[in-house]
Amino acid sequence: QVQLVQSGSELKKPGASVKVSCKASGYTFTRYAMNWVRQAPGQGLEWVGWINTHTGNPTYAPGFTGRFVFSLDTSVSTAYLQITSLKTEDTAVYYCARDSGAIDYWGQGTLVTVSS
Amino acid sequence: DIQMTQSPSALSASVGDRVTITCRASQGIKNDLAWFQQKPGKAPKRLISATYVLESGVPSRFSGSGFGTEFTLTISSPQPEDSATYFCLQHNTYPRTFGQGTKLEIK
Repeated sequence: QVQLVQSGSELKKPGASVKVSCKASGYTFTRYAMNWVRQAPGQGLEWVGWINTHTGNPTYAPGFTGRFVFSLDTSVSTAYLQITSLKTEDTAVYYCARDSGAIDYWGQGTLVTVSS
Repeated sequence: DIQMTQSPSALSASVGDRVTITCRASQGIKNDLAWFQQKPGKAPKRLISATYVLESGVPSRFSGSGFGTEFTLTISSPQPEDSATYFCLQHNTYPRTFGQGTKLEIK
């Protein structure tokens, strides 16, 4: 069965960086794109962007360019989201979500807390 | 960007009542809409894709309808385990956009 398992919660100070991982299993990793979605406390879902797992080409939503970087390690079927120069407003749960033309399966989410 | 307006934001219903949740798109998205269920601390689960296609294993009391700009998720006879937050997602255009969610309580 399809599973997306994300790395654990992170507590970071403003200005630091964080890298969230999303390990896929149960399907051929490079056949499906991977999305990243953010949910700030008490807020709705925001689409951060997606990465083509075959070519490695990323696409970022407006407002998520510059500090947000998607990457892959296809040898271990893992996608990564790195956020640099963290701000308190980056505090949120970050989800990876597989895309089969539309989002279908989601990871369990990774809470990133940015606090001094 | 396409805005997805979901209503209501919260809803309380009794077991066996009919529940309807609506998503309106700011422009036409054909039938490129999915519905998800999310329970606290859990990953979202897709219930319906392409407006009305029920995912395998999802109870038949869930159904979806609509086209273009107006879409509906209906739970025909909700059960206590259907208490959750429901949200829609348009996958017609980038950036993908979500409805704000509906918190459903079944008493």
